[in-house]
Amino acid sequence: RKEVEQDPGPFNVPEGATVAFNCTYSNSASQSFFWYRQDCRKEPKLLMSVYSSGNEDGRFTAQLNRASQYISLLIRDSKLSDSATYLCVVNPNTGNQFYFGTGTSLTVIP
Amino acid sequence: EPEVTQTPSHQVTQMGQEVILRCVPISNHLYFYWYRQILGQKVEFLVSFYNNEISEKSEIFDDQFSVERPDGSNFTLKIRSTKLEDSAMYFCASSDEQQHEQFFGPGTRLTVL
Repeated sequence: RKEVEQDPGPFNVPEGATVAFNCTYSNSASQSFFWYRQDCRKEPKLLMSVYSSGNEDGRFTAQLNRASQYISLLIRDSKLSDSATYLCVVNPNTGNQFYFGTGTSLTVIP
Repeated sequence: EPEVTQTPSHQVTQMGQEVILRCVPISNHLYFYWYRQILGQKVEFLVSFYNNEISEKSEIFDDQFSVERPDGSNFTLKIRSTKLEDSAMYFCASSDEQQHEQFFGPGTRLTVL
């Protein structure tokens, strides 16, 4: 079973739309969760950490559901610049390594 | 804003040759990492390094790989005898504490011919 699973998409949405991505993880003891974005042939850039109580940063909202072992990312009022691959990242609490999902591709269309 | 830097941005080498990829982590960070991403695939963990020693490594990080912090700023990844399948983007990352956010460098694209 994969450590982290994501729907690869692609998601093609119009500007201004709301879009949500989910990600599931296999290790129930995992403690640290993050969303990164990756533009084509670039490095992963931290978008936001995901806290147990859920957290919001502008148009972005992240939530954690420990019982079902999934995290989500909601993007409101999508901008063209949001087009990227969104990576779900989990630290399984057994050390320092991060496990990355395969990423979900988002294209925002004018 | 402090950032992780990596050199070179692109390295082309012949199969069987040794390569050294260089990274300068964020200056006050204590934990350092190497990841790789084969084209079209997910980012994969290679190794983590803390207090001048390897703290964790994956199955990918076999005897052909080694890491070193030769001075107070650089963090290097050496591949002793490159194979075709080592062709990938190699990312260095650093964090201030264990399990905290990791910040990635721009990567070195390694092409093995």
